[in-house]
Amino acid sequence: DSGVTQTPKHLITATGQRVTLRCSPRSGDLSVYWYQQSLDQGLQFLIQYYNGEERAKGNILERFSAQQFPDLHSELNLSSLELGDSALYFCASSSSPSTDTQYFGPGTRLTVL
Amino acid sequence: EDQVTQSPEALRLQEGESSSLNCSYTVSGLRGLFWYRQDPGKGPEFLFTLYSAGEEKEKERLKATLTKKESFLHITAPKPEDSATYLCAVQGSYSSASKIIFGSGTRLSIRP
Repeated sequence: DSGVTQTPKHLITATGQRVTLRCSPRSGDLSVYWYQQSLDQGLQFLIQYYNGEERAKGNILERFSAQQFPDLHSELNLSSLELGDSALYFCASSSSPSTDTQYFGPGTRLTVL
Repeated sequence: EDQVTQSPEALRLQEGESSSLNCSYTVSGLRGLFWYRQDPGKGPEFLFTLYSAGEEKEKERLKATLTKKESFLHITAPKPEDSATYLCAVQGSYSSASKIIFGSGTRLSIRP
């Protein structure tokens, strides 16, 4: 158990809908990272927050947005969902703003029908 | 453009048969190179971070090494429980707050 929690575990929704994925980092960790993992794309870095501020941005679509709240939990919002958005979404946390050791959560499996 | 290539895509070994996994990278100003292990349906598990050429790190049957162009993950006398996908990732210069690039992974299978 990494200490990172993600909810929900599974999510099934329809195209065009909007969903919110939630992540709670390990106790004391200030950095949160979001990743998307699909069969054809592998693990893709989406975005990083550190202590509430956006720190680094990867291949995140404009339909996706994220934020980190004062209690350090983070949410990833996915809107206007398409079939291709079906994937595992992982959250990871680390104690510093630099990547170093990241601890990954168990993931949220999103299925868009 | 930053790039990470892992080889082989899949590797099947007999228990006790040592081997190496390769991670070739192109990045502007290496901030760090990371190795992870991932079991099916689970989140990646951190193994090592390497920062500069010549650096080596070990953990149980695994040893990671780094040169200016590639990293190797050496597996000595592997056991069936070492079966997993091994992922390599790089991050470029910290000052640019650059994104993290993952390779596609090597699927390692150890037969008893």
